Amino acid sequence: DIQMTQSPSSLSASVGDRVTITCRASQSISRYLNWYQQKPGKAPTLLIYAASNLQSGVPSRFSGSGSGTDFALTISSLQSEDFATYYCQQSYSSPLAFGGGTKVGIK
Amino acid sequence: EVQLVESGGGLEKPGGSLRLSCLVSGFTFSHAWMSWVRQAPGKGLEWVGRIRSKGDGGSTDYAAPVRGRITISRDDSKNTLFLELDYLKIEDTAVYYCATAGPHCGGDCGRWGYWGLGSLVTVSS
Repeated sequence: DIQMTQSPSSLSASVGDRVTITCRASQSISRYLNWYQQKPGKAPTLLIYAASNLQSGVPSRFSGSGSGTDFALTISSLQSEDFATYYCQQSYSSPLAFGGGTKVGIK
Repeated sequence: EVQLVESGGGLEKPGGSLRLSCLVSGFTFSHAWMSWVRQAPGKGLEWVGRIRSKGDGGSTDYAAPVRGRITISRDDSKNTLFLELDYLKIEDTAVYYCATAGPHCGGDCGRWGYWGLGSLVTVSS
């Protein structure tokens, strides 16, 4: 089974900061890597699919990169509505798996 | 507008069974691969299992923690996805979400652009 490891598990940042979250797969998943945002009490929403494709309606300050085993989600200029928990997820093979999550909090 | 609406959650006893439903509207349900994802209180997201469209064979995959206890099925005539989980454990307590990439997901049906609001299942004696 493929394991997904995210880092950091939490971070504190200020509005306007550039934030990068990384995700590592235990084996190559090509570009089958998706990123989700989740706010408390809400369902997750898809931000990035296939490693670097922006989901429709998602602001362009979000971007994704990587392939193989190492991936990153970058928020170029953090906005107040971006304080949330972010998850990576591999869709390369079953069992599908999420990373442990990264909580982005206010500094 | 695409909508996924889960129902059937509530309080269940250890060793018991639960059956959740997910009613889908806004797209051709029969063409979609459907997944269940759960989230224990204060914890991360956990994929539980999925069912392919009948056109793609209709087979299922399940996560290890629930394999042998779970059945995912679908009724395309009613646009409804089901999850049955038997021999419930305390650790099955979670919000259960149905999720999908939608119809015609191409080469990647595991990227979920559509989610339900979730249904809370509490397993407690």
